[in-house]
Amino acid sequence: GEDVEQSLFLSVREGDSSVINCTYTDSSSTYLYWYKQEPGAGLQLLTYIFSNMDMKQDQRLTVLLNKKDKHLSLRIADTQTGDSAIYFCAESSPGANNLFFGTGTRLTVIP
Amino acid sequence: DAGVIQSPRHEVTEMGQEVTLRCKPISGHNSLFWYRQTMMRGLELLIYFNNNVPIDDSGMPEDRFSAKMPNASFSTLKIQPSEPRDSAVYFCASSSGRDNQPQHFGDGTRLSIL
Repeated sequence: GEDVEQSLFLSVREGDSSVINCTYTDSSSTYLYWYKQEPGAGLQLLTYIFSNMDMKQDQRLTVLLNKKDKHLSLRIADTQTGDSAIYFCAESSPGANNLFFGTGTRLTVIP
Repeated sequence: DAGVIQSPRHEVTEMGQEVTLRCKPISGHNSLFWYRQTMMRGLELLIYFNNNVPIDDSGMPEDRFSAKMPNASFSTLKIQPSEPRDSAVYFCASSSGRDNQPQHFGDGTRLSIL
């Protein structure tokens, strides 16, 4: 079955860039997603990328996809304390309606 | 625009009691998902519906759990009888139902079974 893996923790200093990594096993993945979860809240969709793209940029967020290595990353430029949260990577397969989520990476931004 | 609405936000009850969690999906969305989140197991998909029909309930832990979607704007997840190990945050999400469209999550129900 599909397997999505992420490291559990990441700490960065305020103002630095954060890079959160994700690997997946399903080579037929069509869309890959990044969600953010703040304490006590649900998962908020940040961005997503279609598998025929290498990169997508949205303000401070840059998503890079290496389809050959099945590796997805989320870069947050000029990381702020408000970016502290858990970030989930998720993938979907062709024709599928459900998503497969990683374990989430807890990002801590140090002032 | 209203997002996915879940109620209650918090529920504390004694073991053995029946618990009912409620969800109103985003208007126009045809797919609805129930998830459970715990520290130990992370985010788990319990069940999902397309056009009010359950499609995959393989994630439902046992017969004590049941979910219904009587119409396009309402779903319930019921636990009867509840046990302490059911304590978790339960999320509902909805999507348009078209292939690979993103899911939008509610704020969750934090359930504590004493």
